[in-house]
Amino acid sequence: EAQVTQNPRYLITVTGKKLTVTCSQNMNHEYMSWYRQDPGLGLRQIYYSMNVEVTDKGDVPEGYKVSRKEKRNFPLILESPSPNQTSLYFCASSHQGTEQYFGPGTRLTVT
Amino acid sequence: GEDVEQSLFLSVREGDSSVINCTYTDSSSTYLYWYKQEPGAGLQLLTYIFSNMDMKQDQRLTVLLNKKDKHLSLRIADTQTGDSAIYFCAESMDTDKLIFGTGTRLQVFP
Repeated sequence: EAQVTQNPRYLITVTGKKLTVTCSQNMNHEYMSWYRQDPGLGLRQIYYSMNVEVTDKGDVPEGYKVSRKEKRNFPLILESPSPNQTSLYFCASSHQGTEQYFGPGTRLTVT
Repeated sequence: GEDVEQSLFLSVREGDSSVINCTYTDSSSTYLYWYKQEPGAGLQLLTYIFSNMDMKQDQRLTVLLNKKDKHLSLRIADTQTGDSAIYFCAESMDTDKLIFGTGTRLQVFP
């Protein structure tokens, strides 16, 4: 089954404790992206990757890092999480110029 | 810069039509999309329209695009309780980057 998976689905952590949210797709997509969803703001792009070893900042990259060492994986790293990073995070992937498939979301709470 | 706006809430009676509206600012948009998000789930692509089209119909869904006014709408005919969700419009240009609206929460009551 074609899908985008994210782990964990729910995470509660404390300020400053490094965490990684994994994203994996099994569709051999070149393009992958991370978004955060906040009430009243819709989804905003954090980082994206056009292919392996090619990443670039989206609209709200501060406080986040990503890597793309393999085509299928695109982890999101929060080196020192802060409460303003409490949000719902979505990973997405696509062949360039076609429909984006979204993962189920990761709800992160930073206390 | 790019901006996409939607009203936050819409409430309709089961069986009526729903119309969800969206305005965008970037006239160079190539594609415009409608996504549906059910509670606790990710985003599901409902339909999309190329910027050179005025209308697209797909079963109960009708998308209307007014390029002059930069206005996009999604009409759901015979709205059902299963249509209750958040609906996002999004635009993109010749890249894969999507610019999302704030989302409209559709509530369908019996």
